Amino acid sequence: EAQVTQNPRYLITVTGKKLTVTCSQNMNHEYMSWYRQDPGLGLRQIYYSMNVEVTDKGDVPEGYKVSRKEKRNFPLILESPSPNQTSLYFCASGRGSGYTEAFFGQGTRLTVV
Amino acid sequence: TQLLEQSPQFLSIQEGENLTVYCNSSSVFSSLQWYRQEPGEGPVLLVTVVTGGEVKKLKRLTFQFGDARKDSSLHITAAQPGDTGLYLCAGRSNDYKLSFGAGTTVTVRA
Repeated sequence: EAQVTQNPRYLITVTGKKLTVTCSQNMNHEYMSWYRQDPGLGLRQIYYSMNVEVTDKGDVPEGYKVSRKEKRNFPLILESPSPNQTSLYFCASGRGSGYTEAFFGQGTRLTVV
Repeated sequence: TQLLEQSPQFLSIQEGENLTVYCNSSSVFSSLQWYRQEPGEGPVLLVTVVTGGEVKKLKRLTFQFGDARKDSSLHITAAQPGDTGLYLCAGRSNDYKLSFGAGTTVTVRA
Protein backbone atom coordinates (compact mmCIF):
# COMPACT_ATOMS: atom_id res chain seq x y z
CA GLU A 1 0.00 0.00 0.00
CA ALA A 2 1.30 3.43 -0.98
CA GLN A 3 1.83 5.50 2.11
CA VAL A 4 3.73 8.17 3.97
CA THR A 5 4.51 7.14 7.54
CA GLN A 6 5.28 9.58 10.31
CA ASN A 7 6.46 8.79 13.80
CA PRO A 8 5.57 9.49 16.47
CA ARG A 9 1.88 10.41 16.09
CA TYR A 10 1.85 12.26 19.40
CA LEU A 11 4.71 13.82 21.34
CA ILE A 12 4.90 15.97 24.45
CA THR A 13 8.32 17.37 25.22
CA VAL A 14 9.99 20.12 27.22
CA THR A 15 11.55 23.30 25.95
CA GLY A 16 15.08 22.82 24.67
CA LYS A 17 15.08 19.04 24.41
CA LYS A 18 16.14 18.02 20.91
CA LEU A 19 13.71 15.83 19.01
CA THR A 20 13.32 14.21 15.62
CA VAL A 21 10.11 13.39 13.79
CA THR A 22 10.63 10.71 11.18
CA CYS A 23 8.96 10.49 7.79
CA SER A 24 9.22 7.62 5.35
CA GLN A 25 7.53 6.97 1.99
CA ASN A 26 7.38 3.72 0.03
CA MET A 27 6.57 5.13 -3.43
CA ASN A 28 10.07 6.06 -4.62
CA HIS A 29 9.02 9.71 -4.78
CA GLU A 30 11.66 12.34 -5.49
CA TYR A 31 9.86 15.16 -3.71
CA MET A 32 9.18 15.34 0.02
CA SER A 33 8.13 18.21 2.26
CA TRP A 34 7.18 19.18 5.80
CA TYR A 35 4.26 21.37 6.87
CA ARG A 36 2.85 22.63 10.10
CA GLN A 37 -0.87 23.22 10.55
CA ASP A 38 -2.18 25.77 13.01
CA PRO A 39 -5.79 26.91 13.56
CA GLY A 40 -6.78 29.73 11.23
CA LEU A 41 -3.43 29.64 9.41
CA GLY A 42 -3.80 26.53 7.31
CA LEU A 43 -0.79 24.51 6.25
CA ARG A 44 2.54 26.31 6.05
CA GLN A 45 5.58 24.76 4.45
CA ILE A 46 8.68 24.34 6.62
CA TYR A 47 11.18 22.65 4.29
CA TYR A 48 11.07 20.68 1.09
CA SER A 49 13.41 18.36 -0.79
CA MET A 50 13.56 17.83 -4.53
CA ASN A 51 15.73 14.72 -4.24
CA VAL A 52 18.48 13.11 -2.18
CA GLU A 53 20.83 15.72 -0.69
CA VAL A 54 18.72 18.56 -2.15
CA THR A 55 16.72 20.56 0.40
CA ASP A 56 15.36 24.10 0.54
CA LYS A 57 13.52 26.37 2.95
CA GLY A 58 9.80 26.81 2.83
CA ASP A 59 7.86 29.68 4.37
CA VAL A 60 8.54 29.00 8.07
CA PRO A 61 11.95 27.25 8.40
CA GLU A 62 13.19 28.99 11.57
CA GLY A 63 13.90 26.54 14.38
CA TYR A 64 13.82 23.46 12.16
CA LYS A 65 16.36 21.34 10.30
CA VAL A 66 15.95 18.54 7.78
CA SER A 67 18.14 16.03 5.99
CA ARG A 68 17.63 13.83 2.95
CA LYS A 69 20.30 11.15 2.93
CA GLU A 70 18.03 8.51 1.40
CA LYS A 71 15.19 8.89 -1.04
CA ARG A 72 12.57 7.33 1.22
CA ASN A 73 13.33 9.24 4.46
CA PHE A 74 13.00 12.92 5.33
CA PRO A 75 13.33 13.53 9.09
CA LEU A 76 12.39 16.84 10.71
CA ILE A 77 14.72 17.93 13.51
CA LEU A 78 13.96 20.45 16.24
CA GLU A 79 17.32 21.22 17.87
CA SER A 80 15.88 23.30 20.70
CA PRO A 81 12.08 23.17 20.68
CA SER A 82 10.11 26.11 22.01
CA PRO A 83 6.40 26.41 22.94
CA ASN A 84 5.64 28.29 19.69
CA GLN A 85 6.52 25.11 17.82
CA THR A 86 3.54 23.36 19.37
CA SER A 87 1.59 22.36 16.30
CA LEU A 88 0.34 19.57 14.05
CA TYR A 89 3.05 18.51 11.61
CA PHE A 90 2.59 16.76 8.27
CA CYS A 91 5.03 15.16 5.89
CA ALA A 92 4.14 14.86 2.21
CA SER A 93 5.63 13.29 -0.89
CA GLY A 94 5.11 13.25 -4.64
CA ARG A 95 6.72 12.48 -7.98
CA GLY A 96 7.85 16.03 -8.59
CA SER A 97 7.25 18.05 -11.76
CA GLY A 98 3.97 19.46 -10.47
CA TYR A 99 2.83 16.31 -8.67
CA THR A 100 4.47 17.17 -5.42
CA GLU A 101 2.19 17.02 -2.37
CA ALA A 102 0.29 14.01 -3.66
CA PHE A 103 0.38 12.00 -0.43
CA PHE A 104 0.36 13.22 3.16
CA GLY A 105 1.25 11.34 6.31
CA GLN A 106 -1.21 11.05 9.19
CA GLY A 107 0.40 13.84 11.15
CA THR A 108 2.39 14.32 14.34
CA ARG A 109 0.85 16.35 17.12
CA LEU A 110 3.68 18.02 19.01
CA THR A 111 3.30 19.83 22.32
CA VAL A 112 6.26 21.72 23.75
CA VAL A 113 5.86 22.75 27.39
CA THR B 1 -2.01 37.21 5.43
CA GLN B 2 -3.11 34.19 3.43
CA LEU B 3 -2.03 34.11 -0.19
CA LEU B 4 -5.17 32.11 -0.89
CA GLU B 5 -8.49 33.15 0.65
CA GLN B 6 -11.13 30.49 1.05
CA SER B 7 -14.80 31.21 1.63
CA PRO B 8 -16.86 30.50 3.47
CA GLN B 9 -14.85 29.48 6.50
CA PHE B 10 -17.67 27.23 7.75
CA LEU B 11 -20.58 25.66 5.91
CA SER B 12 -23.33 23.51 7.39
CA ILE B 13 -25.99 22.04 5.12
CA GLN B 14 -28.61 19.33 5.04
CA GLU B 15 -28.02 16.06 3.20
CA GLY B 16 -29.08 16.39 -0.43
CA GLU B 17 -28.34 20.10 -0.74
CA ASN B 18 -25.66 21.58 -2.99
CA LEU B 19 -22.69 23.62 -1.85
CA THR B 20 -19.88 25.68 -3.34
CA VAL B 21 -16.52 26.55 -1.79
CA TYR B 22 -14.42 29.35 -3.23
CA CYS B 23 -10.68 29.86 -3.35
CA ASN B 24 -9.41 33.29 -4.41
CA SER B 25 -6.07 35.00 -4.81
CA SER B 26 -4.48 38.03 -6.43
CA SER B 27 -1.63 35.78 -7.59
CA VAL B 28 -1.46 33.64 -10.70
CA PHE B 29 -0.82 29.94 -10.15
CA SER B 30 0.59 27.35 -12.51
CA SER B 31 -1.74 24.79 -10.94
CA LEU B 32 -4.22 24.52 -8.12
CA GLN B 33 -5.03 21.53 -5.95
CA TRP B 34 -7.95 20.64 -3.72
CA TYR B 35 -7.69 18.40 -0.70
CA ARG B 36 -10.10 17.01 1.89
CA GLN B 37 -8.93 16.48 5.43
CA GLU B 38 -10.79 14.55 8.11
CA PRO B 39 -10.11 14.95 11.85
CA GLY B 40 -6.93 13.20 12.93
CA GLU B 41 -5.84 12.51 9.36
CA GLY B 42 -3.61 14.08 6.75
CA PRO B 43 -5.05 15.90 3.72
CA VAL B 44 -6.08 13.68 0.80
CA LEU B 45 -5.56 15.04 -2.69
CA LEU B 46 -8.84 15.26 -4.64
CA VAL B 47 -7.81 16.96 -7.86
CA THR B 48 -5.20 19.09 -9.61
CA VAL B 49 -6.27 21.69 -12.17
CA VAL B 50 -3.71 23.18 -14.50
CA THR B 51 -5.33 25.03 -17.40
CA GLY B 52 -7.22 28.31 -17.04
CA GLY B 53 -10.95 27.63 -17.41
CA GLU B 54 -10.48 23.93 -16.77
CA VAL B 55 -13.38 22.01 -15.26
CA LYS B 56 -12.90 18.58 -13.69
CA LYS B 57 -15.58 16.30 -12.31
CA LEU B 58 -15.10 13.66 -9.68
CA LYS B 59 -18.47 11.94 -9.16
CA ARG B 60 -20.58 14.59 -7.37
CA LEU B 61 -17.68 17.05 -7.06
CA THR B 62 -16.99 19.65 -9.76
CA PHE B 63 -13.79 21.68 -9.70
CA GLN B 64 -13.20 24.79 -11.79
CA PHE B 65 -10.01 26.79 -12.34
CA GLY B 66 -10.55 30.44 -13.21
CA ASP B 67 -9.63 31.71 -16.67
CA ALA B 68 -6.88 33.89 -15.21
CA ARG B 69 -5.63 31.02 -12.99
CA LYS B 70 -6.12 33.13 -9.85
CA ASP B 71 -9.19 31.46 -8.41
CA SER B 72 -11.00 28.17 -8.18
CA SER B 73 -14.25 26.69 -6.93
CA LEU B 74 -15.42 23.36 -5.66
CA HIS B 75 -19.09 22.47 -6.11
CA ILE B 76 -20.68 19.44 -4.46
CA THR B 77 -24.03 18.23 -5.75
CA ALA B 78 -26.45 16.40 -3.47
CA ALA B 79 -24.08 16.44 -0.51
CA GLN B 80 -23.88 13.40 1.72
CA PRO B 81 -22.67 13.05 5.34
CA GLY B 82 -19.53 11.38 3.98
CA ASP B 83 -18.61 14.70 2.34
CA THR B 84 -18.09 16.23 5.78
CA GLY B 85 -14.54 17.47 6.28
CA LEU B 86 -12.09 20.31 5.92
CA TYR B 87 -11.60 21.31 2.28
CA LEU B 88 -8.29 22.92 1.43
CA CYS B 89 -7.17 24.60 -1.75
CA ALA B 90 -3.49 25.01 -2.57
CA GLY B 91 -1.88 26.96 -5.36
CA ARG B 92 1.49 26.37 -6.92
CA SER B 93 3.53 29.26 -8.24
CA ASN B 94 6.38 28.78 -10.69
CA ASP B 95 8.74 27.22 -8.16
CA TYR B 96 7.91 24.10 -6.19
CA LYS B 97 6.27 25.90 -3.29
CA LEU B 98 2.64 25.16 -2.58
CA SER B 99 0.57 27.80 -0.73
CA PHE B 100 -2.50 26.62 1.15
CA GLY B 101 -5.69 28.42 2.02
CA ALA B 102 -6.94 28.24 5.61
CA GLY B 103 -9.68 25.81 4.64
CA THR B 104 -13.47 25.50 4.64
CA THR B 105 -15.07 23.25 7.22
CA VAL B 106 -18.06 21.51 5.65
CA THR B 107 -20.66 19.72 7.76
CA VAL B 108 -23.40 17.73 6.06
CA ARG B 109 -26.24 16.84 8.41
CA ALA B 110 -28.17 13.61 7.87
